[in-house]
Amino acid sequence: DTGVSQDPRHKITKRGQNVTFRCDPISEHNRLYWYRQTLGQGPEFLTYFQNEAQLEKSRLLSDRFSAERPKGSFSTLEIQRTEQGDSAMYLCASSLVAIRGRNQSNEQFFGPGTRLTVL
Amino acid sequence: GQSLEQPSEVTAVEGAIVQINCTYQTSGFYGLSWYQQHDGGAPTFLSYNALDGLEETGRFSSFLSRSDSYGYLLLQELQMKDSASYFCAVRGGTGGFKTIFGAGTRLFVKA
Repeated sequence: DTGVSQDPRHKITKRGQNVTFRCDPISEHNRLYWYRQTLGQGPEFLTYFQNEAQLEKSRLLSDRFSAERPKGSFSTLEIQRTEQGDSAMYLCASSLVAIRGRNQSNEQFFGPGTRLTVL
Repeated sequence: GQSLEQPSEVTAVEGAIVQINCTYQTSGFYGLSWYQQHDGGAPTFLSYNALDGLEETGRFSSFLSRSDSYGYLLLQELQMKDSASYFCAVRGGTGGFKTIFGAGTRLFVKA
């Protein structure tokens, strides 16, 4: 399977613990996105990378959240000192777009998500 | 900031045509995308409009008016399998690749 994969698919943790999620994008894709989705809502933008560079991070994101894409391939999202409000589906997506692709669709391919439950 | 508005729910019958509207407020607008998401599944890309006008892809069409900050998704010959949530999403931000999604429109297709 050459789609986007995420690991783990489910994570249950206690409040205050740290968690880390992994995303493996489609191999040739240069952009990687992290979103958070709660029931009945659309994906909420968290951050995105172009290759290994983190280009933008949501202002809504607290300092407890950090993401890396060290070699421009897989990415990790870490949440420190989890809170019950962090419970959500965490989605990763990747796309392949030319650097100056203004009119390109930036079609994003989503992974299956990691469902986080904070007790 | 960026915000999008779309109806929360739409109901239609099999074989009918349905239009899902989306209005947006954003800075640095590059284009409007539409995604479909079935319950328990991941969002999948449907269409993208960077310029004004209509884009057609099979039974689905998408329209954009940049001057009105408005777009819509048109679904024709509705099938039961089209029951899903539909999200409009604006592409923008400083570098033009930040994507902000709307809250979604849940479409129910009845027999």
